[in-house]
Amino acid sequence: AQTVTQSQPEMSVQEAETVTLSCTYDTSESDYYLFWYKQPPSRQMILVIRQEAYKQQNATENRFSVNFQKAAKSFSLKISDSQLGDAAMYFCAYRRLHSGAGSYQLTFGKGTKLSVIP
Amino acid sequence: NAGVTQTPKFQVLKTGQSMTLQCAQDMNHEYMSWYRQDPGMGLRLIHYSVGAGITDQGEVPNGYNVSRSTTEDFPLRLLSAAPSQTSVYFCASSYPGLIEAFFGQGTRLTVV
Repeated sequence: AQTVTQSQPEMSVQEAETVTLSCTYDTSESDYYLFWYKQPPSRQMILVIRQEAYKQQNATENRFSVNFQKAAKSFSLKISDSQLGDAAMYFCAYRRLHSGAGSYQLTFGKGTKLSVIP
Repeated sequence: NAGVTQTPKFQVLKTGQSMTLQCAQDMNHEYMSWYRQDPGMGLRLIHYSVGAGITDQGEVPNGYNVSRSTTEDFPLRLLSAAPSQTSVYFCASSYPGLIEAFFGQGTRLTVV
């Protein structure tokens, strides 16, 4: 079974600064997907960024980028130029690549609550 | 396009009561699933379905029933609510070839 670990229950960052959220995972699969979801107080689950394990290049979406280290099974999220609207709970998630019923299931970490200080 | 719609958004139940959390999607997605979110636990899979008439258990299925009679709907039933089922429930959908899942806005359930 896959596991996802987020070791930082809470983090804080000054507005306009950069913060990195950590995520490690355990799997015996070689192909899979990794995600970062943002959950603001509205409760909505918002996909921030995704990474395909077969791609060596780290994914980037505007101010959000990841550091994907496949051998170390590490998938950290870097938020640059932090904004007040970035304050939220962030979840790291894993999904298998191959077809079959189990491949659509997401395994989530426990989350990191990010606060942004004005 | 409404996406994934969950009803109700909030619900308070008494211990032993039954209720159904509704989930509907209008994207013709084959795969639908239910997760529960508890503080410090992340989201955990309750049940999932890969198509009409096909359901299976996830990580935490006890106390919940599901059925899938149509592609669009995937209700989650609590037959006899318990305080341990106090949680936020999310429904999600996807289809083969789509990498990410679409989530509903969640239902906050309190069992007293």
